[in-house]
Amino acid sequence: GAVVSQHPSRVICKSGTSVKIECRSLDFQATTMFWYRQFPKQSLMLMATSNEGSKATYEQGVEKDKFLINHASLTLSTLTVTSAHPEDSSFYICSARGWGGQGSYEQYFGPGTRLTVT
Amino acid sequence: DAKTTQPTSMDCAEGRAANLPCNHSTISGNEYVYWYRQIHSQGPQYIIHGLKNNETNEMASLIITEDRKSSTLILPHATLRDTAVYYCIVRRNNQGGKLIFGQGTELSVKP
Repeated sequence: GAVVSQHPSRVICKSGTSVKIECRSLDFQATTMFWYRQFPKQSLMLMATSNEGSKATYEQGVEKDKFLINHASLTLSTLTVTSAHPEDSSFYICSARGWGGQGSYEQYFGPGTRLTVT
Repeated sequence: DAKTTQPTSMDCAEGRAANLPCNHSTISGNEYVYWYRQIHSQGPQYIIHGLKNNETNEMASLIITEDRKSSTLILPHATLRDTAVYYCIVRRNNQGGKLIFGQGTELSVKP
């Protein structure tokens, strides 16, 4: 139980285009979802927090118009990187918080999406 | 949320216990200690968490000092597959609590 999936696992796009990444909680309902970004040899950096049906709350320094987050249901959140540039190349990881398979209310992570902007 | 301090890296022999320390001297009364690990190029994996009592599950044990200013994660019989970056995080266990990752400890389990 408590599985979080992301799609795609890898994506390569050209500079200036937009990319959408999906995050799904497969066997539980996620009241809150989080998006993180990780550059090589660095730790995870929280980008934003979203509650189902509400606007996302972005961390300081994260451009909300560039990283569009939609949390339309209790099992799906999407992150759209608009007008991507090479410096947006990174490992994007989503996380969902809810009641997992072992009866605990915890935060579970997806496998990540590797974005490369050329 | 309180900050944590962990050693940058540690080595452990396969089959031996791995003891990973974490300092969280500014932890407040309503903050829990969480441990996650991240194997290379994967998403973080939840290991264990606790408030003030020691905790044990199928993966690890968590020992929290009486003053709660530090804790130790114990992997009783480390295997090569336990090689990963281990993150110690303190967080309020409510709707507003966010997991903020520090630099973690890179554990290398060697044969």
